[in-house]
Amino acid sequence: NAGVMQNPRHLVRRRGQEARLRCSPMKGHSHVYWYRQLPEEGLKFMVYLQKENIIDESGMPKERFSAEFPKEGPSILRIQQVVRGDSAAYFCASSKQGMDTQYFGPGTRLTVL
Amino acid sequence: QKEVEQNSGPLSVPEGAIASLNCTYSDRVSQSFFWYRQYSGKSPELIMSIYSNGDKEDGRFTAQLNKASQYVSLLIRDSQPSDSATYLCAVNRRDTGNQFYFGTGTSLTVIP
Repeated sequence: NAGVMQNPRHLVRRRGQEARLRCSPMKGHSHVYWYRQLPEEGLKFMVYLQKENIIDESGMPKERFSAEFPKEGPSILRIQQVVRGDSAAYFCASSKQGMDTQYFGPGTRLTVL
Repeated sequence: QKEVEQNSGPLSVPEGAIASLNCTYSDRVSQSFFWYRQYSGKSPELIMSIYSNGDKEDGRFTAQLNKASQYVSLLIRDSQPSDSATYLCAVNRRDTGNQFYFGTGTSLTVIP
């Protein structure tokens, strides 16, 4: 009974490169959420997606960040032209339905050199 | 005003004592409430959810919700050193499309 899967677990990028973070929700879950957590800070909501549809992206920075959840395959959070300030833990969560409990994946720790 | 506020702590209790963690939220339309535990370097792990006023017990954990006061708390009885972690309060508002709002967390240390 696999939980939420994220990969890679650790990602190192140089400034200006692209980072792609992947999230596979729990079986039977069709709602995916992305959060960012900076050291010693709380979780910040970024985006909420269902298959082929962005429901709420109010937490996403206006530039360089994008997310998708295609009909087939994992959800992807893409960060273009990374900067040092993007270094953080990025968590994905999934739920079966809207307004339902969210279960978190292990996170991807992004380090920008 | 933040959506969800928690005392950042740190909160220290001796082993075997009751740890009390508190959370207030700003919006009356909040409908679902959750407590997550996060160990250092790990992902948040769900402890309890509560939807209606009153108490909800699960083992050593009790969640308490008071919607009139916009207040939710978590009590941990017989605290163990393994309970040492950061506890995150989260609320969910139907009017914002199922967005969860998280507090910054309370750091709990249980002293053996």
